[in-house]
Amino acid sequence: QVQLVESGGGVVQPGGSLRLSCAASGFTFSSSGMHWVRQAPGKGLEWVAFIRNDGSNKYYADSVKGRFTISRDNFKNTLYLQMNSLRAEDTAVYYCAKVREVPGSPFDFWGQGTLVTVSS
Amino acid sequence: DIQMTQSPSSLSASVGDRVTITCRASQSINNYLNWYQQKPGKAPKLLISAASSLQSGVPSRFSGSRSGTDFTLTISSLQPEDFATYYCQHSYSFSWTFGQGTKVEI
Repeated sequence: QVQLVESGGGVVQPGGSLRLSCAASGFTFSSSGMHWVRQAPGKGLEWVAFIRNDGSNKYYADSVKGRFTISRDNFKNTLYLQMNSLRAEDTAVYYCAKVREVPGSPFDFWGQGTLVTVSS
Repeated sequence: DIQMTQSPSSLSASVGDRVTITCRASQSINNYLNWYQQKPGKAPKLLISAASSLQSGVPSRFSGSRSGTDFTLTISSLQPEDFATYYCQHSYSFSWTFGQGTKVEI
């Protein structure tokens, strides 16, 4: 069965860095686009970043552009999110989600999320 | 960027009620509109894709429709397990946007 397991969350000071991972299994990872989506405490869902199945194209929300980097290792079936220059407003649960490599594909499966807290 | 305006932000309903949630896109997104259900402490779950395509395993009391840039999620007869927050989301361009969410409460 499809599994996405996020890890790497924790408490970090403002201005610090953190790298999230998302381990994938149960589907052909190298054929799937992948997203990061976050949810601040008590708030709605915010799309963060997307990477094509082969890593050829990456897209970012304006709120994280220049600070976050999405990447993937198709040999390890793992998605990453490198987060630098973290701010208090980056505090959220971060989810990874998969999509099919077709235009308009929905986020058809999500991981359970990892909590990132930015606080001094 | 395409904006998604979802309404209402919350609603109170009873078991057996018919519930309607709407989502308006700021420009044409064709049928690239998806609906998700999220329960407290859980990840979102895809209910409907492409405006009206019900996902496998999702009860038939859920349905979706489109009229231009207006999209609707309908729950025909609300069940106890349907109390949750619902989000619309467009997947039309390379800037995926979610609606603000609708919390369905008892």
